[in-house]
Amino acid sequence: ILNVEQSPQSLHVQEGDSTNFTCSFPSSNFYALHWYRWETAKSPEALFVMTLNGDEKKKGRISATLNTKEGYSYLYIKGSQPEDSATYLCAPRMDSSYKLIFGSGTRLLVRP
Amino acid sequence: GAGVSQSPRYKVAKRGQDVALRCDPISGHVSLFWYQQALGQGPEFLTYFQNEAQLDKSGLPSDRFFAERPEGSVSTLKIQRTQQEDSAVYLCASSLGQGFTETQYFGPGTRLLVL
Repeated sequence: ILNVEQSPQSLHVQEGDSTNFTCSFPSSNFYALHWYRWETAKSPEALFVMTLNGDEKKKGRISATLNTKEGYSYLYIKGSQPEDSATYLCAPRMDSSYKLIFGSGTRLLVRP
Repeated sequence: GAGVSQSPRYKVAKRGQDVALRCDPISGHVSLFWYQQALGQGPEFLTYFQNEAQLDKSGLPSDRFFAERPEGSVSTLKIQRTQQEDSAVYLCASSLGQGFTETQYFGPGTRLLVL
């Protein structure tokens, strides 16, 4: 059974704070890591797909890094806004499997 | 263009009742996935279709769960004789292909509550 862990489980920050959270996954047989953002009552939205060790991706105020050798990825949000409040899910694809293996997510609440 | 849609958005069922959940994927997407998300957990894989072929149903929790995609577009997930432990959000996702960098696009989910 693949173990994908995300920490912290939840996070409350003040508007304007920068924040980051972690996704850890088995480093063997790694193919790609997907990050999703899921706002309540909406569809999960794809943020990034990352494959290479040392990869860094950026989308507006959100960025992510990847370390495939040690099996972790960080997601950073700079200057959090209330609209960033959501659950952030990571999901590696392992072996050649097409299925995503999700972590439990980090629930972020940004207070105005 | 339109994204993945699912219906109904909410379903309350009495224990023992059969339910059917519908997924309309993005037009032209070959791959279709069903996931189940229990409270406090991440989504878990149920089954995968490539066009109309169900290539993997290893995640279906019991033989009460059945999925189909007869014409390679719309899919239905059916749960027979629902139990309380079936209460969850059921997510459908579609992707153009099945490459490991291929983005899976999700619908908003169907929240099922079994009383």
